[in-house]
Amino acid sequence: QKEVEQDPGPLSVPEGAIVSLNCTYSNSAFQYFMWYRQYSRKGPELLMYTYSSGNKEDGRFTAQVDKSSKYISLFIRDSQPSDSATYLCAMSALSNYQLIWGAGTKLIIKP
Amino acid sequence: NAGVTQTPKFQVLKTGQSMTLQCAQDMNHEYMSWYRQDPGMGLRLIHYSVGAGITDQGEVPNGYNVSRSTTEDFPLRLLSAAPSQTSVYFCASRPTGRTYNSPLHFGNGTRLTVT
Repeated sequence: QKEVEQDPGPLSVPEGAIVSLNCTYSNSAFQYFMWYRQYSRKGPELLMYTYSSGNKEDGRFTAQVDKSSKYISLFIRDSQPSDSATYLCAMSALSNYQLIWGAGTKLIIKP
Repeated sequence: NAGVTQTPKFQVLKTGQSMTLQCAQDMNHEYMSWYRQDPGMGLRLIHYSVGAGITDQGEVPNGYNVSRSTTEDFPLRLLSAAPSQTSVYFCASRPTGRTYNSPLHFGNGTRLTVT
């Protein structure tokens, strides 16, 4: 079993919808949680990060961590066609430790 | 700033051939790393370096060598290419410090096919 599980999708939703992307993990030592966005034929870029449990909001994006359930989510409000990309979750146990990555969810926003 | 530059963008090799994937960054980042990305597998760390002259193995190092003679460059060498090494390779760098607020900066990848 992988340490980090992420549904590969694709997830296709109409423009303007609220999108929910999720990852589950098995290592209770993970404390740092990140979401990266990867456009086709490009490298990933950091979208959001959170430490430990709780929510973090940045514009249309909200990252949520539930350590008791070992579950993290990324919500996108008012989704736009430009949000179409692959979203990868990543996490680590220590501040300088290597990241463990999910496989990525491909998101398609239909105009 | 160019960020992280990877060359070549595409490469086709025959089994047994060797080659070097180039990676250069102009952000003066101490930490550099190589990942491979395969469908359904996510990013897997091959090798990494925390500074010039220092390298270490990641999750999947077999069949690959690295060296770090300068802060800017971190080449990845395939010693004897195998079809299992067909993948997209990404180089990434970041400043030293806490992982969560020192994001990785990725290049745009090298797409390698081994026949």
